[in-house]
Amino acid sequence: SYELTQPPSESVSPGQTARITCSGDALPKQYAYWYQQKPGQAPVLVIYKDSERPSGIPERFSGSSSGTTVTLTISGVQAEDEADYYCQSVDNSGTYHVVFGGGTKLTVL
Amino acid sequence: QITLKESGPTLVKPTQTLTLTCTFSGFSLSTSGVGVGWIRQPPGKALEWLALIYWDDDKRYSPSLKSRLTITRDTSKNQVVLTMTNMDPVDTATYYCAHRLAVAGLVGFDYWGQGTLVTVSS
Repeated sequence: SYELTQPPSESVSPGQTARITCSGDALPKQYAYWYQQKPGQAPVLVIYKDSERPSGIPERFSGSSSGTTVTLTISGVQAEDEADYYCQSVDNSGTYHVVFGGGTKLTVL
Repeated sequence: QITLKESGPTLVKPTQTLTLTCTFSGFSLSTSGVGVGWIRQPPGKALEWLALIYWDDDKRYSPSLKSRLTITRDTSKNQVVLTMTNMDPVDTATYYCAHRLAVAGLVGFDYWGQGTLVTVSS
């Protein structure tokens, strides 16, 4: 079955830039989505269509794509950005099964 | 404004069938392009997609769980129902329903319910 691979954890100091990657064979052809999830809360969409930002999401969140890897970048990280981040896409099977990555725990030092 | 809310039992016994209802407002599942999905998350673990139903009654299921899942809609009640058969303790999780982005070709989820924790135990 199709998988999206994320690093389990990343850490960054306040004010620095955090980059979280997600790899998958279908990503050159399928869009990626990113979700932020804080403890005890439902996920929140922060990036869609690889690099689009929903209304209400701070400009410090951005997304990019290169080959089989997509990247979520958080510029000027704030303490409130500490959360789990999940990438999501669909497979290339033609039936568009949804797939989530394993999640990355972002720690703000 | 779009809202979704999950409801159903908090405790089920092994081998039983789970039935969860997602009641939503702010959109219609009869409108072209609209979809509602179910996603679950075991305690301390990652999100796992389960199923998705579209405005035209097209349905998609996780390949690994397809034999156990059924997703249906009731457009008059603004509800989507998910049933999962033969429940096992490993199915203990928070179950979320979510609204699919209403943009052609996109399969992301822009609005989520609060989630409901389902525990499987005898």
